[in-house]
Amino acid sequence: QKEVEQDPGPLSVPEGAIVSLNCTYSNSAFQYFMWYRQYSRKGPELLMYTYSSGNKEDGRFTAQVDKSSKYISLFIRDSQPSDSATYLCAMSVTGNTPLVFGKGTRLSVIA
Amino acid sequence: DVKVTQSSRYLVKRTGEKVFLECVQDMDHENMFWYRQDPGLGLRLIYFSYDVKMKEKGDIPEGYSVSREKKERFSLILESASTNQTSMYLCASSFEGREFDEQYFGPGTRLTVT
Repeated sequence: QKEVEQDPGPLSVPEGAIVSLNCTYSNSAFQYFMWYRQYSRKGPELLMYTYSSGNKEDGRFTAQVDKSSKYISLFIRDSQPSDSATYLCAMSVTGNTPLVFGKGTRLSVIA
Repeated sequence: DVKVTQSSRYLVKRTGEKVFLECVQDMDHENMFWYRQDPGLGLRLIYFSYDVKMKEKGDIPEGYSVSREKKERFSLILESASTNQTSMYLCASSFEGREFDEQYFGPGTRLTVT
């Protein structure tokens, strides 16, 4: 079993939809949970990070971590065509140890 | 603005060639990382460095080596390129010593080995 599992998609939604992206993990030592966004032919950029369990909101984006279930989610409200990208979850034991990435989910938001 | 630059966006090399991929960051970051990204496999860590002249193996170091002679520059070396090293190579950098250190990525080098 891989340390971090993420459905690669692709996922296609109409503009304005609520998008839910998810990852599961097996290493209970992970404490930092990140979501990166990667546009085509670009490097990943950090969207949000969460420490331990709980929710974090930033505009249209909400990150949730459930450590008891080893499950993390990213919700995108009112999705826009500009949200079309690959979304990568990543995790680490401390805030500055190497990251373990999921495979990424390719999202298309159709106008 | 943090900037991580990589020497080439696209590179085509022949099997058996020695290949150098260069990465430079301008934010005085202590940590630097090399990943490869493949469809269906995601990002995998090859090597990382916490300081000048220091290196640590990641998950897939076989067939690669690295060099960090200056703080701002981290080089990935393919000693004898093989077709299974055809991939997207991503460099990243981050500060050291804070509670959370964001990794900043370069644009990537798409390497094709024929």
